[in-house]
Amino acid sequence: QKEVEQDPGPLSVPEGAIVSLNCTYSNSAFQYFMWYRQYSRKGPELLMYTYSSGNKEDGRFTAQVDKSSKYISLFIRDSQPSDSATYLCAMSAVNTNAGKSTFGDGTTLTVKP
Amino acid sequence: DARVTQTPRHKVTEMGQEVTMRCQPILGHNTVFWYRQTMMQGLELLAYFRNRAPLDDSGMPKDRFSAEMPDATLATLKIQPSEPRDSAVYFCASGLVSARALETQYFGPGTRLLVL
Repeated sequence: QKEVEQDPGPLSVPEGAIVSLNCTYSNSAFQYFMWYRQYSRKGPELLMYTYSSGNKEDGRFTAQVDKSSKYISLFIRDSQPSDSATYLCAMSAVNTNAGKSTFGDGTTLTVKP
Repeated sequence: DARVTQTPRHKVTEMGQEVTMRCQPILGHNTVFWYRQTMMQGLELLAYFRNRAPLDDSGMPKDRFSAEMPDATLATLKIQPSEPRDSAVYFCASGLVSARALETQYFGPGTRLLVL
């Protein structure tokens, strides 16, 4: 079983919909939680990161972390066709290997006009 | 606008040939990562360096892969001999690690490798 599980989708929604992307994890040492967006044939780019539990909002994007359930989410409000991409969650533990992130396999999202 | 650069962007080679991929991390970043991405395996960490010293290369097939960082502006990943199963996109990423953890990681555009 992988340390980080992510539903690969694909997920297809109409423009303007609210999108929910999720990851579960098994390693309780994870303290940093990141979401990356990867457009086709490009490298992943950091979208948001949070430390420990709680919510973080940035424009149309909200990241949530529930450490008690080992579950993280990314919500996209008023989704746009330009949000069509693969979204990868990533997690990092605070330990001697600080800096090493474990990635989910990514969820492919298509937002249709 | 600082960014990670990788060369070459595309590489087609024949089985058995040596492949060298290069990465220039963002100036001032102290950590460099090499990843491999395939449809089947997703994004896999191959190796990473802190202040040019190798920290972890457990994700790398040791018999054919090698990673080095000859100076702060250059990281290399070599495959010798290459095999068709090495076909993938190889990403370099760099970041600045604080006392607690990596807070951000910036990826390069990747090298698309096809081994025939």
